[in-house]
Amino acid sequence: SQKIEQNSEALNIQEGKTATLTCNYTNYSPAYLQWYRQDPGRGPVFLLLIRENEKEKRKERLKVTFDTTLKQSLFHITASQPADSATYLCALAGSGNTGKLIFGQGTTLQVKP
Amino acid sequence: EPEVTQTPSHQVTQMGQEVILRCVPISNHLYFYWYRQILGQKVEFLVSFYNNEISEKSEIFDDQFSVERPDGSNFTLKIRSTKLEDSAMYFCASSEIPRTGGNGYTFGSGTRLTVV
Repeated sequence: SQKIEQNSEALNIQEGKTATLTCNYTNYSPAYLQWYRQDPGRGPVFLLLIRENEKEKRKERLKVTFDTTLKQSLFHITASQPADSATYLCALAGSGNTGKLIFGQGTTLQVKP
Repeated sequence: EPEVTQTPSHQVTQMGQEVILRCVPISNHLYFYWYRQILGQKVEFLVSFYNNEISEKSEIFDDQFSVERPDGSNFTLKIRSTKLEDSAMYFCASSEIPRTGGNGYTFGSGTRLTVV
């Protein structure tokens, strides 16, 4: 069955460092992959999307890579700030046109000042 | 920035009662969704809706659930006879055409449903 795994352990880093979060998947060939941020009690907020034929995408301090051979995406936040502390979710979409997203369980990032 | 609006933010209901969760998606989006998140668990897909009909639904979305777009702006999720296990945060979302990915999906702030 389709499976998406994100590191369930919280990631604690020092302000200014680069945070790297991992999303692995199996039994799936997504057309694209998305990363979202979720704060406690709030809905997911879209951050970045990367398509199956793209290797890397950047937006300000954020960078996403997508390796369809390894079935893995890495999400980087450079020059991290305490305000970046949140749970980060990866979500995969299939090639169909229904728009269904399958989410990972998320990794909680804590940036300490 | 355009938002997806959900009401109410919190709903408490007795087991067996019907609830309707309401959403106003972004006006130029074509696809609408409901997801739910049980406390401490993953965000789970319930249903996608396009062109006034269901495009796909999950196993969770059984006969107790229904969706409707009663007018040009609202999108509703009805649970006919709530169970304790329906207690969760319910998120409405909308998007442009999924195949292109577009600018991701816009989620509302959620309705916390508590069934007692």
